[in-house]
Amino acid sequence: NAGVTQTPKFQVLKTGQSMTLQCAQDMNHNSMYWYRQDPGMGLRLIYYSASEGTTDKGEVPNGYNVSRLNKREFSLRLESAAPSQTSVYFCASSPLAGVADTQYFGPGTRLTVL
Amino acid sequence: AQSVTQLGSHVSVSEGALVLLRCNYSSSVPPYLFWYVQYPNQGLQLLLKYTSAATLVKGINGFEAEFKKSETSFHLTKPSAHMSDAAEYFCAVSEGAGSYQLTFGKGTKLSVIP
Repeated sequence: NAGVTQTPKFQVLKTGQSMTLQCAQDMNHNSMYWYRQDPGMGLRLIYYSASEGTTDKGEVPNGYNVSRLNKREFSLRLESAAPSQTSVYFCASSPLAGVADTQYFGPGTRLTVL
Repeated sequence: AQSVTQLGSHVSVSEGALVLLRCNYSSSVPPYLFWYVQYPNQGLQLLLKYTSAATLVKGINGFEAEFKKSETSFHLTKPSAHMSDAAEYFCAVSEGAGSYQLTFGKGTKLSVIP
């Protein structure tokens, strides 16, 4: 059981480049989340998905798109990266949909935008 | 909307001393409350959660937290600190069972002095 996996672990982009962060979970969880973590800011929700094909915007969705391809996978896309998107990105999953529940986190992707 | 305050961005304790990490929230609705721990360069993992059952909640690694509605607090304690407890700790609050969104505090970094 790998839990929640994220690729890549590290990435450096130039301003304006695009990229997709991948996330997969093997726990048959319904809910999946994307967060960003910035120093002194805690975690802020970017997007949430309760099931395949459904997504909700979180606190900081601007500049990001997401895709819930199937129950296992939830990807985050930066269409035109900006330095303000330099951050650590975490994917998480939880068993239930639409309710407060324990979230299981991946190891994170450290993104630098120059 | 919820807000979460963690008093003290850095806390240092001696090995064997009491650990007390503070968390206060703002809510008129009985919330669900969580404490997560993050070790360096890793994702978050759940320490314990309160979901309107017993007000004293026991978690992993000897940690516990007490929900005090009158004080809107959910402080984390451990009787005797161990070197392996050095990490960053995050308090998180949901609006209640019907809300999937967690609001995270800014985190408290715990150092343990030998």
